[in-house]
Amino acid sequence: GNSVTQMEGPVTLSEEAFLTINCTYTATGYPSLFWYVQYPGEGLQLLLKATKADDKGSNKGFEATYRKETTSFHLEKGSVQVSDSAVYFCALSKAAGNKLTFGGGTRVLVKP
Amino acid sequence: EPEVTQTPSHQVTQMGQEVILRCVPISNHLYFYWYRQILGQKVEFLVSFYNNEISEKSEIFDDQFSVERPDGSNFTLKIRSTKLEDSAMYFCASSDEQKTSYEQYFGPGTRLTVT
Repeated sequence: GNSVTQMEGPVTLSEEAFLTINCTYTATGYPSLFWYVQYPGEGLQLLLKATKADDKGSNKGFEATYRKETTSFHLEKGSVQVSDSAVYFCALSKAAGNKLTFGGGTRVLVKP
Repeated sequence: EPEVTQTPSHQVTQMGQEVILRCVPISNHLYFYWYRQILGQKVEFLVSFYNNEISEKSEIFDDQFSVERPDGSNFTLKIRSTKLEDSAMYFCASSDEQKTSYEQYFGPGTRLTVT
């Protein structure tokens, strides 16, 4: 079956540091890939997405590139802020109406 | 911007009681989902719903769970006889069949506490 593996947290960084969260997936074919973010006490928000190999999703300074050859979709941000403190979830979906399969989530804490 | 809404935001119930969690998906979306997240753990799929029937369900979604679209806007999750282990955050989501990227939009969640 499909699965998503993320690096375990928590990841603690200083403001303006570079953030990378690794995500790899197992799935047949060409799933769509997503990063969702969950701020403290809130629901899941779609952060960015990519639908095919070599696509780069980007939003709010975050980027992730769909790498078919390494089955990866690592999330990066060049300069984090305290407001980026949240839990980040990598996820995939195989088709319209299919469930999202989530990774375990990575908690990020950015200190001033 | 359209959004998914859920009520109540927090529900406390006693073990063995029935609960109904309510969701209003985005109006032009045709796929609906329920997920749950036990505190501090990963987000788990429960069920998907399309064209007035369940399209997929997980092994968590046993006979104690049911879903319904009672009218043109609401989508509900019923737990018939709650257990302590049903305590979790329950998220409703919806998606548009027209989009080729398959993204789902989530509501803010209902925190269910079973005592």
